[in-house]
Amino acid sequence: GAVVSQHPSWVICKSGTSVKIECRSLDFQATTMFWYRQFPKQSLMLMATSNEGSKATYEQGVEKDKFLINHASLTLSTLTVTSAHPEDSSFYICSALWRGGLSYEQYFGPGTRLTVT
Amino acid sequence: ELKVEQNPLFLSMQEGKNYTIYCNYSTTSDRLYWYRQDPGKSLESLFVLLSNGAVKQEGRLMASLDTKARLSTLHITAAVHDLSATYFCAVDPFQGAQKLVFGQGTRLTINP
Repeated sequence: GAVVSQHPSWVICKSGTSVKIECRSLDFQATTMFWYRQFPKQSLMLMATSNEGSKATYEQGVEKDKFLINHASLTLSTLTVTSAHPEDSSFYICSALWRGGLSYEQYFGPGTRLTVT
Repeated sequence: ELKVEQNPLFLSMQEGKNYTIYCNYSTTSDRLYWYRQDPGKSLESLFVLLSNGAVKQEGRLMASLDTKARLSTLHITAAVHDLSATYFCAVDPFQGAQKLVFGQGTRLTINP
């Protein structure tokens, strides 16, 4: 299957600083990537859809000025958490959408655990 | 409002037993997915169910889909400890846009 990587796998930062998380599709090109957030013992919630070459689309309730998404190439999307606060501590999971003819499938990265102190 | 509801949310069972996890969803969906998540890890894809009546099996796990009832089941046969994990179902209600909506997850613990 296709492989999606995330970097870093975990990060600790101080309140008020910004953190960038990278999501890469390693063996396929992805015009669409997704960012999810998962709080402890909860489900995944879609935050935004990242589109190569255009602006990301955010789900209701997600602050686009706080969670900056850049999809600069067909294999890389980045999520920057700006002015992070402890309530932003969470497990962030990206996915990349593989398309082949009429087929498509979403492949998930390994996740990034963010802790804001 | 779109809802994806799993039942039960917690399940503790003994090795060798059979059990079923249910996933109900409130709107039409092109597909239904089942994922497994181990603690601290990301999602592992188990099944993609594409049509009404679809049934897929892998090892001790079998998933089925009834689109008319908007219900999917994940059946575990003769459970083993290695199957302990959290299982999520997810639907794609936006006609292939892949903006997945996940159920709450079922935390499965299998005891020796």
